Amino acid sequence: KQEVTQIPAALSVPEGENLVLNCSFTDSAIYNLQWFRQDPGKGLTSLLLIQSSQREQTSGRLNASLDKSSGRSTLYIAASQPGDSATYLCAAPDNYGQNFVFGPGTRLSVLP
Amino acid sequence: DTEVTQTPKHLVMGMTNKKSLKCEQHMGHRAMYWYKQKAKKPPELMFVYSYEKLSINESVPSRFSPECPNSSLLNLHLHALQPEDSALYLCASSARDTINSPLHFGNGTRLTVT
Repeated sequence: KQEVTQIPAALSVPEGENLVLNCSFTDSAIYNLQWFRQDPGKGLTSLLLIQSSQREQTSGRLNASLDKSSGRSTLYIAASQPGDSATYLCAAPDNYGQNFVFGPGTRLSVLP
Repeated sequence: DTEVTQTPKHLVMGMTNKKSLKCEQHMGHRAMYWYKQKAKKPPELMFVYSYEKLSINESVPSRFSPECPNSSLLNLHLHALQPEDSALYLCASSARDTINSPLHFGNGTRLTVT
């Protein structure tokens, strides 16, 4: 059964810092992995979907990498801003390839 | 702004009430999903519709009844709910019913069962 974990659970940084969020998954036979952002009381916003063949995907200040062999993905946020404050969730496909299994999320606070 | 629209934003209902949650998307997506999210927890899948047919039911109690009238609309009918069913209910869609398509979420309906 696919299990997804994220560390740290919470992170507080001053504005301008570069930071890395970590995601681990137990079943490495995945095609891709997706990163989301969730603001309080809101739905999830898709940030990046990284295919296993790509290994890396970039969107603006965000860069996601995927290492299937180690069961890890990282989300790198450059030059963080207060508007980046949110919960970041990663999601990996389940063992049947039918559904995404979500991690518990990392709650990020960027202080001005 | 999200391209998946959910109504209502908030709903308070008693345990004997019948209510419905609605979801609409106009992106031409052929897969639609219902998720349930409790506070400070990740979303949990409830149902998946693929090409307007129910393809996944994650052993959800029968007091939750999904319906997909057409490819743009998804409803969740609620009846005889329990207080522990209080949660944020999220609708999502994707271009195809595979995990190779990004999920697009609505902003959810905050449900409180009294």
